[in-house]
Amino acid sequence: GENVEQHPSTLSVQEGDSAVIKCTYSDSASNYFPWYKQELGKGPQLIIDIRSNVGEKKDQRIAVTLNKTAKHFSLHITETQPEDSAVYFCAASLPSNDMRFGAGTRLTVKP
Amino acid sequence: EAGVVQSPRYKIIEKKQPVAFWCNPISGHNTLYWYLQNLGQGPELLIRYENEEAVDDSQLPKDRFSAERLKGVDSTLKIQPAELGDSAVYLCASSPGPAVAKNIQYFGAGTRLSVL
Repeated sequence: GENVEQHPSTLSVQEGDSAVIKCTYSDSASNYFPWYKQELGKGPQLIIDIRSNVGEKKDQRIAVTLNKTAKHFSLHITETQPEDSAVYFCAASLPSNDMRFGAGTRLTVKP
Repeated sequence: EAGVVQSPRYKIIEKKQPVAFWCNPISGHNTLYWYLQNLGQGPELLIRYENEEAVDDSQLPKDRFSAERLKGVDSTLKIQPAELGDSAVYLCASSPGPAVAKNIQYFGAGTRLSVL
């Protein structure tokens, strides 16, 4: 089955700096890669996603890149703000809807 | 539009007691998922339903866990008897289904279970 690894496990940045979180996956058949943000006491919330036929996608301050050859994808957050502080999860999904999640990255943005 | 609704939000029980969680998916979503989330970890799939049919329950500990999705809408997840190691957050998610918007999953707020 699919295996997703996520790094780093914790990340601390100054407000205004950029943050990058990286994930690798094992199954080359995976074709959908979402990123979720989870705040304390809440469920994961989808913030951006990318499909295997696209190499990069951007939505305001967040962007995701996908390298299918290397089987890795990354989340980029620019101009970070304190409200970006949360746990971020990457995931990889097979066409069968079998989705596996990374272990999460706790992002702290210091004012 | 209402999101995925889960209840209760919190549950504290003693070990060996039964417990049940309830999930109401987004209206019209055919696919429903139950996930287990341990502290500091990502969600792990327990069971996935396509309408009323459980299409992937390979990770569900069937000796003590059971789930149902009658009429293909609401779902319940039950543990009987609960063990100390079952303390975790139980998340429910739904998606429109493979034919529409493919794999996008929307999560509820979860039920935090504490087994004493």
